[in-house]
Amino acid sequence: ETGVTQTPRHLVMGMTNKKSLKCEQHLGHNAMYWYKQSAKKPLELMFVYSLEERVENNSVPSRFSPECPNSSHLFLHLHTLQPEDSALYLCASSQGTSGDANTGELFFGEGSRLTVL
Amino acid sequence: RKEVEQDPGPFNVPEGATVAFNCTYSNSASQSFFWYRQDCRKEPKLLMSVYSSGNEDGRFTAQLNRASQYISLLIRDSKLSDSATYLCVVNERASGGSYIPTFGRGTSLIVHP
Repeated sequence: ETGVTQTPRHLVMGMTNKKSLKCEQHLGHNAMYWYKQSAKKPLELMFVYSLEERVENNSVPSRFSPECPNSSHLFLHLHTLQPEDSALYLCASSQGTSGDANTGELFFGEGSRLTVL
Repeated sequence: RKEVEQDPGPFNVPEGATVAFNCTYSNSASQSFFWYRQDCRKEPKLLMSVYSSGNEDGRFTAQLNRASQYISLLIRDSKLSDSATYLCVVNERASGGSYIPTFGRGTSLIVHP
């Protein structure tokens, strides 16, 4: 019953494949995020979009390419990945602007578990 | 560098115990603060926001000390179902007024019978 939906839930790909992860939020939020979660590591912020503009790119390799066509959809295009990119990729949304009562609580999707062979 | 530090644990406690977690953050300009809970192989979910005045939600109490830049979470009367990883989250402002949440690595809690 999440307001943030991610597909696919599981993905196995070879290093030469091109695939995409999709995220959709039904909460009317204006900010969307991609996080990477690897075993034994904290959640790593990858990209932030606010009002469909990228406001943060946290030194992510170019083999990860985000796309935000509108405020409800966020994609992560994957190309020529490495085995160390295997992880859980989490999408989140928030009502991301400050200056009012909003505090920026994140709502997560269930994640896409990626395995790169 | 923006950092959020937590003791990874695990904290192994019996049912009914009281347990406290701390979190420190490096950016004094941080705007808002949260505790999230993450169950094994699931997404993080908001447990509670943290306010300077302190706030309580049932068995859970959160405190923020801006001067010392730390956040705490107290769980009273622990239940088996409290077993999870507890993530400290600090929000900073980015360009355009949006928030950039930074997560700690989480503290693992195991409550045993």
